[in-house]
Amino acid sequence: NAGVMQNPRHLVRRRGQEARLRCSPMKGHSHVYWYRQLPEEGLKFMVYLQKENIIDESGMPKERFSAEFPKEGPSILRIQQVVRGDSAAYFCASSLVRQETQYFGPGTRLLVL
Amino acid sequence: AQSVTQLDSQVPVFEEAPVELRCNYSSSVSVYLFWYVQYPNQGLQLLLKYLSGSTLVKGINGFEAEFNKSQTSFHLRKPSVHISDTAEYFCAVSNYNNNDMRFGAGTRLTVKP
Repeated sequence: NAGVMQNPRHLVRRRGQEARLRCSPMKGHSHVYWYRQLPEEGLKFMVYLQKENIIDESGMPKERFSAEFPKEGPSILRIQQVVRGDSAAYFCASSLVRQETQYFGPGTRLLVL
Repeated sequence: AQSVTQLDSQVPVFEEAPVELRCNYSSSVSVYLFWYVQYPNQGLQLLLKYLSGSTLVKGINGFEAEFNKSQTSFHLRKPSVHISDTAEYFCAVSNYNNNDMRFGAGTRLTVKP
């Protein structure tokens, strides 16, 4: 019974490049959430998706960030033209039911040089 | 929207001592409350949750928490800590009206021999 999977675990990008972070929810879960954790800070909500739909993206920066959760395949968090301030750990969580218990993946640690 | 305050950023204790990690929340509606633990370079693991019912909630690893509605608190306790409990602990709150879970800034528990 695999948990939430994220890859890559570590990602290094130079300024201006694109970063793609992938998240496979737990089996049977159709609700996916993305969070960002800056050093020495708690998690900040970014976006909530269900299959093929963005339900709430109120925590997403207005530019350069996008997310999708296609009918087939993992959820993708995409950051275009990365800047140093994007360096953080990005966590994905999934739940069976909206606002029920969220199960977290191990995170992707993005470092922008 | 709901919010969470973790009153202590760091809590050092000696092994086998009791510990309490404090969490206060604010919300205008009924809430769900969670405690997660994060070990170094890992994702978040659910310790325990309060959805409804008994206000005393028991979780994994010997932790428990008590929901106090009048004081809007959800403090985490363990009667006797181990070295292996050294980690970052996050309190989180959500409610059925919102899509996002709000996290506290975290409390770093350090257990010393």
